[in-house]
Amino acid sequence: QKEVEQNSGPLSVPEGAIASLNCTYSDRGSQSFFWYRQYSGKSPELIMSIYSNGDKEDGRFTAQLNKASQYVSLLIRDSQPSDSATYLCAVIEGYSTLTFGKGTMLLVSP
Amino acid sequence: GAVVSQHPSRVICKSGTSVKIECRSLDFQATTMFWYRQFPKKSLMLMATSNEGSKATYEQGVEKDKFLINHASLTLSTLTVTSAHPEDSSFYICSSTVRESRTDTQYFGPGTRLTVL
Repeated sequence: QKEVEQNSGPLSVPEGAIASLNCTYSDRGSQSFFWYRQYSGKSPELIMSIYSNGDKEDGRFTAQLNKASQYVSLLIRDSQPSDSATYLCAVIEGYSTLTFGKGTMLLVSP
Repeated sequence: GAVVSQHPSRVICKSGTSVKIECRSLDFQATTMFWYRQFPKKSLMLMATSNEGSKATYEQGVEKDKFLINHASLTLSTLTVTSAHPEDSSFYICSSTVRESRTDTQYFGPGTRLTVL
């Protein structure tokens, strides 16, 4: 049974701070990792993907992957109230079905 | 990223009627599409995997005779909720994968909110 674990939150951060969202996964064969953002009442939206150990930056977002520890994280710099949403971590092995975590709710207060 | 559309975005129907939801890939061909359901404040739940030209694969506990899936072309999959009841009221989301060099990347449609009276 492949599992993806996330703290459900809410994670509360003040505007301008760095938000750190974490995810662990059970399947060592997982090769690709994704972060989705889901606003309340909306469908998930892909933010970032990461495949190799280390950091990947895209604007205010940085994904970090550590395959040895089976850990992937998402950092959001200069957090804005508009970043308030649920963030879903997802992993996949090759070309197969995506396994989602239950998501972490992020609240950014002005 | 790839664009996936859904229609309708919102539907209200009477108990006992059937509702069809369409999912289209707009700028790519989708061999595989997925159907999810999400209740308020709950996690995404995968209902079924839809493969073009073949029968859908349903997750455990999902009634295939109640949730009919048809994937007749590479750009269209439909989900029909038959004899809908109030407990079927939910947010239904489809997604499709784009095959890239190392993996399949999944993109979601905007969702369909179903309310059964």
